[in-house]
Amino acid sequence: GQNIDQPTEMTATEGAIVQINCTYQTSGFNGLFWYQQHAGEAPTFLSYNVLDGLEEKGRFSSFLSRSKGYSYLLLKELQMKDSASYLCAGNTGGFKTIFGAGTRLFVKA
Amino acid sequence: GAVVSQHPSRVICKSGTSVKIECRSLDFQATTMFWYRQFPKQSLMLMATSNEGSKATYEQGVEKDKFLINHASLTLSTLTVTSAHPEDSSFYICSALPDTLFSTNEKLFFGSGTQLSVL
Repeated sequence: GQNIDQPTEMTATEGAIVQINCTYQTSGFNGLFWYQQHAGEAPTFLSYNVLDGLEEKGRFSSFLSRSKGYSYLLLKELQMKDSASYLCAGNTGGFKTIFGAGTRLFVKA
Repeated sequence: GAVVSQHPSRVICKSGTSVKIECRSLDFQATTMFWYRQFPKQSLMLMATSNEGSKATYEQGVEKDKFLINHASLTLSTLTVTSAHPEDSSFYICSALPDTLFSTNEKLFFGSGTQLSVL
């Protein structure tokens, strides 16, 4: 079966750091995506992890542990514009990608 | 960068009519495209994998006779919602997988989505 779990909602303060966790169980696994999505818009690519470890890109970092079926997205120096849904998605093979339910992040002043 | 054009962006139709949505890769070829549906405050649900020159592969629970997919060229896939009903109202999004993978980690490229409202 395919199962991707992430928290439904999170709230954080402007300037702070927030970590969004994701656990997955998929019948095949080749890599893990993180996307940002604003309501009514298409997802925006943030990261794609294939190997274990942390990848940093500006204010955003993504971590993957294949043995634990676990990933997280780390957002630093939060800005109001970071308020959005963050989608964890698994490449189950051939880039057939299954999405989690998404985490709605609210950034408050 | 790779661009995927999706049209229309918004459509309102009467119950019982059919609606066609186009997904076009503008600057790359894509043998494989994916169609997703997203209900309000929910995530993207994969409906089907569209393959150029062959029949689409549908996910469990998705009616292939209701959601017709045609991938007639390496740059165009269409999704037709036949005999649409209010429960088909949703946000439909396509993504394209370039035949030649770019060096960037961004492997899939999404269209801008189509908001379908069936009255």
